[in-house]
Amino acid sequence: QVLLLQSGAEVKKPGASMKVSCNTSGYTFTGYDLHWVRQAPGQGLEWMGRISPKSGVTAFAQSFQGRVTLTRDTSLATAYMELTSLTSDDTAVYYCARSRFSSTSSAFEFWGQGTRVTVSS
Amino acid sequence: DIQMTQSPPTLSASVGDRVTITCRASQKIGNWLAWYQQKPGNAPKLLIYEGSTLESGVPSRFSGTGSGTEFSLTISSLQPGDSATYYCQEYKSWTFGQGTRVEIK
Repeated sequence: QVLLLQSGAEVKKPGASMKVSCNTSGYTFTGYDLHWVRQAPGQGLEWMGRISPKSGVTAFAQSFQGRVTLTRDTSLATAYMELTSLTSDDTAVYYCARSRFSSTSSAFEFWGQGTRVTVSS
Repeated sequence: DIQMTQSPPTLSASVGDRVTITCRASQKIGNWLAWYQQKPGNAPKLLIYEGSTLESGVPSRFSGTGSGTEFSLTISSLQPGDSATYYCQEYKSWTFGQGTRVEIK
C-alpha cells in the first residue's frame, strides 16, 4: 500500500533551519507530485509548495518564496523540505502529501503522518 | 492568488441531520475542488475531488456539488463519527479554505 513516512519531531531555535523528510513506498515515486502543507497550532491548512519527483521542478506559495527548498532523492524515493530563518510563527505540523493523479493539478490522496516542529528560544 | 472562502466556520447539528458547508472561490476553478476531513491529531483525509467525485471508501452520505466558483459539501445524515473539521481546496494553486468545524449536539 502507499505509505508516506515523515521524519520525527524537531525543536529549533529562532533563526535556525529545519529539514523534514518524506520517505515514500508502495508506488512509483516519479509518477506523482509531492506537496508540503503545514498547520500551525489550532489553525487551518496552508499549502507551502510542490515538487515533481520526476523532473525536480518545484513551485511555491508566495509566502514561502525564498525561504523554502524542496528536493528529492529518487534512489531513496524520498522528498525533503527545508525551511530557513525560522521564527515562532513556523511552529506547526508539517505534512507531505501525494497527488491523487499524475497530472499537476490534482487533489491530495495520501498524506504523511505529520512532523511537529517547534521553534522556541 | 485564488482565495477560498468557506462557511460557516463552525456548525453544530444533531445525529441524522443534513448539513451543508459552502466554499467560494475568488475566480473560476472549473471543478478543481476537493474536500477533506480532518480529525484532531490526524492528517487530513480526502473525501471528494473534482467537485463531486467521491473518493473510494468514503460513505455515500457525503456528496459534493458545484463548479466555477461556488461549491458545497453535504452530509445527508450526520453520524457521530463525522465530528471533524472539513476543508475545501482548489487545486489550480492548491489554496485551502479556512475550515468548518462540525460538532455533534
